[in-house]
Order: sequence, then C-alpha cells, then structure tokens
Amino acid sequence: GAGVSQSPSNKVTEKGKDVELRCDPISGHTALYWYRQRLGQGLEFLIYFQGNSAPDKSGLPSDRFSAERTGESVSTLTIQRTQQEDSAVYLCASGRGDYNEQFFGPGTRLTVL
Amino acid sequence: AQSVSQHNHHVILSEAASLELGCNYSYGGTVNLFWYVQYPGQHLQLLLKYFSGDPLVKGIKGFEAEFIKSKFSFNLRKPSVQWSDTAEYFCAVNTNAGKSTFGDGTTLTVKP
Repeated sequence: GAGVSQSPSNKVTEKGKDVELRCDPISGHTALYWYRQRLGQGLEFLIYFQGNSAPDKSGLPSDRFSAERTGESVSTLTIQRTQQEDSAVYLCASGRGDYNEQFFGPGTRLTVL
Repeated sequence: AQSVSQHNHHVILSEAASLELGCNYSYGGTVNLFWYVQYPGQHLQLLLKYFSGDPLVKGIKGFEAEFIKSKFSFNLRKPSVQWSDTAEYFCAVNTNAGKSTFGDGTTLTVKP
C-alpha cells in the first residue's frame, strides 16, 4: 500500500509570506505527527493528532505555527509570516495508535529567503 | 518532560567492527522505545522497537537493542557493521500520552 506522502517536496518562499504544507497519512492510521528537522539536528516534535482527541500542540514554537487534520486523513501545517529560522525539513509521520511505530513521509524542505 | 539523549554525534568505524550506540531517556512512566534509521536519500524507517517482554530485541539487518530499565537505557548494537550501514540513527521514546521524543541522532560512517 501507499506510504505517507507530503507535498510539496520543496518550497522556497520569501520572508513574511505564509506557507502551507500537506501530509497524507497511511489509510487507517489514527495517529499523525509533525516534526521539524533543522540541518544537522534531530527531530523536533511540533504537534500530534490522535483520532478525534484534542491535538497535543505543545511543540509548536510560536503562534505563527498551526496545524489541522480532517478526521483521520489529510493534515496541513501552516506557517504564517515565515522567518528565516523556519527553514528546515518538515516531516510528517502516521501510526496506528499512541504507542506504535511511526511511518515517515519524505518531508518538505522549506527555505525562507 | 521526557527527553532522549544519544551520546555519540558521529561514529566512524571500519567494516566488520562492532557497533554500540548509546541512548538514555528520562521519563518515569511506561514507555515504548524505538530505533529509527535514515539511509542517505531515504525516509526515516523503523529499525527495531521494544514494547514489553524480553528486553533484548532484534531488528532488521542484524541490529539488536537491549532495554535496561534501571539505567533508562536502550543501546543499539551490531556485532559486525557493513558499509551499507552508513546512515543516521535516531532513538525515540513514546509515552502513553502519545507524545514522541527523538534524540538528536548519531551519524554512522562505515569505511570500506
């Protein structure tokens, strides 16, 4: 079956613009995670969705970041008024439940000029 | 707050050498533990996982890891590395609240 997909694969934007990143999880996976990975660094947790529960937004770095998920399907991560420090690879992962392994997408490489 | 510490940022080995990558976590409750690997140009993928039972778990490609609860450790091992093991390795912890925490990763370079 299809894995996790993310779009776009690359995004170059100007400082101050808004961007929207998309994640299509594996069908049937109730859990969905967003991470940020800056060059040479580890994965930084951003937000976690689990079924119909309220999302865990504790990792969002500022109110410029927001994410939504429609049911147990597509999720979008929106970054408003982008800054150069937002440049990173944004990874999405999905899984079957709270404890289970995560299946990662290829990521979106965001460059803010 | 939970945290994961990987002791080695970059490890360089020759083929056939033995590998051990350290991982320690801080969290007082029940956890599930994972090692993920990212080969050059590929997605992150699961190497092995521990949920319960035998603390020595075996994964793909000859990797294994041992959960030592008293030391809050989950070190990754392989008796004899190959050039194709060159990759970045991440240790991760999931708690029952669902939150997932990753270590900063260890880059392994295996010289042929």
